[in-house]
Amino acid sequence: DTAVSQTPKYLVTQMGNDKSIKCEQNLGHDTMYWYKQDSKKFLKIMFSYNNKELIINETVPNRFSPKSPDKAHLNLHINSLELGDSAVYFCASSPPGVPWQYFGPGTRLTVT
Amino acid sequence: AQSVTQLGSHVSVSEGALVLLRCNYSSSVPPYLFWYVQYPNQGLQLLLKYTTGATLVKGINGFEAEFKKSETSFHLTKPSAHMSDAAEYFCAVSLAQGGSEKLVFGKGMKLTVNP
Repeated sequence: DTAVSQTPKYLVTQMGNDKSIKCEQNLGHDTMYWYKQDSKKFLKIMFSYNNKELIINETVPNRFSPKSPDKAHLNLHINSLELGDSAVYFCASSPPGVPWQYFGPGTRLTVT
Repeated sequence: AQSVTQLGSHVSVSEGALVLLRCNYSSSVPPYLFWYVQYPNQGLQLLLKYTTGATLVKGINGFEAEFKKSETSFHLTKPSAHMSDAAEYFCAVSLAQGGSEKLVFGKGMKLTVNP
């Protein structure tokens, strides 16, 4: 019984392409997030959504566009991929009123 | 602004030895503090959390951490390391922003356990 799932797990693509990463949570949580982990393992928030509404946009280039079709899903679309976008992207979710989050398994994006 | 500091990047211990991973925080308000563990090629798993109440918090796999306001610390300990504890450990603080919460992570600490 998966809690927070992401697809795909691995994504290899060329510079300039457009790609999407999907995230789903079956925990009934209202808030979902995207984090980026760089090659030095540093984790930084990108976006948060609460009930399909964008709450946090952490000065991410507008090539990155999150979309939340419903509160159980938060997808990340990336246009015109660059080498620097290579990273592991984590989706997370949290229940209402609590500050901790549950993370998905991550998607390793490699841009060549 | 709230932040956490994990000094160093790598700790190596022998199996059965004490594990001590240090975390210091900076916060202008009472912080919510967390430790997450990342096993190789996996996602982050919540190890333990401090929100309010008891300052010594116990987590999974025998880990515990103590919130010390006077020292602005939240160090993670385990009395006896096991080979399966080898992983990356992240300290994090929760920061409220725009009606949501975001986690601000330290740089992480890689724990190696030697047989």
